[in-house]
Amino acid sequence: GDSVTQMEGPVTLSEEAFLTINCTYTATGYPSLFWYVQYPGEGLQLLLKATKADDKGSNKGFEATYRKETTSFHLEKGSVQVSDSAVYFCALSSGTYKYIFGTGTRLKVLA
Amino acid sequence: GAGVSQSPSNKVTEKGKDVELRCDPISGHTALYWYRQSLGQGLEFLIYFQGNSAPDKSGLPSDRFSAERTGGSVSTLTIQRTQQEDSAVYLCASSSFQNTGELFFGEGSRLTVL
Repeated sequence: GDSVTQMEGPVTLSEEAFLTINCTYTATGYPSLFWYVQYPGEGLQLLLKATKADDKGSNKGFEATYRKETTSFHLEKGSVQVSDSAVYFCALSSGTYKYIFGTGTRLKVLA
Repeated sequence: GAGVSQSPSNKVTEKGKDVELRCDPISGHTALYWYRQSLGQGLEFLIYFQGNSAPDKSGLPSDRFSAERTGGSVSTLTIQRTQQEDSAVYLCASSSFQNTGELFFGEGSRLTVL
């Protein structure tokens, strides 16, 4: 079945450091890919998405590129801020109602 | 309200008691999901509603778990005879029929079974 694997956390970075959170997937067909973020005390919210190969999703300085050849959708940000501290979830949807989520990666950014 | 609302936000109960968790989705959203988030685990799919129907209940862990949705709106997740392993955060999400790929999540109901 479909699955999502993302790097385990926690990830601890200093402010202005470069961030990469790895995500790979297994799916039949051509899924849509998502990154959701959960800030402390809040519900999950969509951060960015990509619906086909080579698409780049971007939002709030974060980017992720849909790489079909490596079945990956790594999340990157060039310069993190303390306010980016949160849990990040990679997810896929294979065109139906079903969404598969990764286990989440906790990011802590130190001032 | 504008977002998905869940209640209670926290529930502590004794083993063997029944609990009900409520979800009020965004108005007009026909799709509604329940997920469970356990410590160190990802989001575990429980059940999906389209309108009042539940075409996929495959994620419900046991027959102690049930859910219903009325009026195409509010949903209730019921756990009977709670066990300690039921302790988790239960998340509800809704989405419009014209699926843009975005799920809108509530803040969750944290259940602790003593």
